[in-house]
Amino acid sequence: DAKTTQPNSMESNEEEPVHLPCNHSTISGTDYIHWYRQLPSQGPEYVIHGLTSNVNNRMASLAIAEDRKSSTLILHRATLRDAAVYYCILRDGNTGFQKLVFGTGTRLLVSP
Amino acid sequence: NAGVTQTPKFRVLKTGQSMTLLCAQDMNHEYMYWYRQDPGMGLRLIHYSVGEGTTAKGEVPDGYNVSRLKKQNFLLGLESAAPSQTSVYFCASTWTANYGYTFGSGTRLTVV
Repeated sequence: DAKTTQPNSMESNEEEPVHLPCNHSTISGTDYIHWYRQLPSQGPEYVIHGLTSNVNNRMASLAIAEDRKSSTLILHRATLRDAAVYYCILRDGNTGFQKLVFGTGTRLLVSP
Repeated sequence: NAGVTQTPKFRVLKTGQSMTLLCAQDMNHEYMYWYRQDPGMGLRLIHYSVGEGTTAKGEVPDGYNVSRLKKQNFLLGLESAAPSQTSVYFCASTWTANYGYTFGSGTRLTVV
């Protein structure tokens, strides 16, 4: 499984945008970039995923570099509820079975 | 609400006891997974299933068994619990690489 590298922690103020980076220099052409987050004492929650183009949904935006070796999860206006651990994960779309391999993620702290 | 349901939510076992954790999903997903999460760490895959009647080992399968007799249910068994199996267990399900995973809320297991 291709690896991802994320900062251990980041801080933000409420209502400000947050950019969470992820490096995946060994990404293959068929790897999807997935983001999940885990709020305290809860199971992981799907946030967004993409392959080549930037993606937007109601939770966040995903910006993917042109060479696909890095990506950025963008929370447009952080709230206290966005304080969580964010995981960037690569998932091979070319195999019949796919599994998520979790790293340690980025712990996002949001201050009022 | 549609999603992944895990039972029980909490359990304390004595060393050597056995138990079964139940995961049920009502989204008609093909793939189901069991993960464990130890304090301060990411999730590690125990076993998974690519369809009814199939199971396979993940990265930390020792001490666990699984069964998928019905598409909607994925059972995780501990035949002889050990303190090293104290952890939070998460179940997840999905369709294919182009879909996100849905996780359950977890089972917190303590083995004394």
